[in-house]
Amino acid sequence: RKEVEQDPGPFNVPEGATVAFNCTYSNSASQSFFWYRQDCRKEPKLLMSVYSSGNEDGRFTAQLNRASQYISLLIRDSKLSDSATYLCVVNRGYGGSQGNLIFGKGTKLSVKP
Amino acid sequence: DADVTQTPRNRITKTGKRIMLECSQTKGHDRMYWYRQDPGLGLRLIYYSFDVKDINKGEISDGYSVSRQAQAKFSLSLESAIPNQTALYFCATSDRLGSTDTQYFGPGTRLTVL
Repeated sequence: RKEVEQDPGPFNVPEGATVAFNCTYSNSASQSFFWYRQDCRKEPKLLMSVYSSGNEDGRFTAQLNRASQYISLLIRDSKLSDSATYLCVVNRGYGGSQGNLIFGKGTKLSVKP
Repeated sequence: DADVTQTPRNRITKTGKRIMLECSQTKGHDRMYWYRQDPGLGLRLIYYSFDVKDINKGEISDGYSVSRQAQAKFSLSLESAIPNQTALYFCATSDRLGSTDTQYFGPGTRLTVL
């Protein structure tokens, strides 16, 4: 099983649509979970951290299921500006390298007018 | 001004040349990282440093070396560049004292080795 696995997409959706991305991770010791956003040829930027209780930031909702080692991101009322690649990220969670992050390869979202 | 800066932003060089990529940060973070990103392969960790005296290899350190000159500066060197080191390179920082492991990225250096 890959350390962090995501559907690469692309997800092509119309403006206003709701879209969901999923991610699985293999390391049960991981303690920190994130979604990063990356625009073409730009640096990854933190979109939101993911907490066990689930969390919401405006149109974005993230969920974590530790038992299934599964993370999700829901985007409601998609905007053209949401077009980007979304990276699922977890930490290694053990030993001296516990601060190190493992990045998924990303899911590409394209929002069309 | 950006919190994490990288120089140069773009570089074209020839096989066998020595190249240094530089990263500076004003965030006051202890931890710094170098990644490379290739299409279809995602971000891969090259080296990381948890403080000035601590340097560690990542998953793809062969062909690279690093120097942590100060808390705010972390340089990546390619001693003898080869074409398969053509990639987008990112520097990142994180805070040892933070409650999470959030990393903050520089704008990247696009390196082409001919």
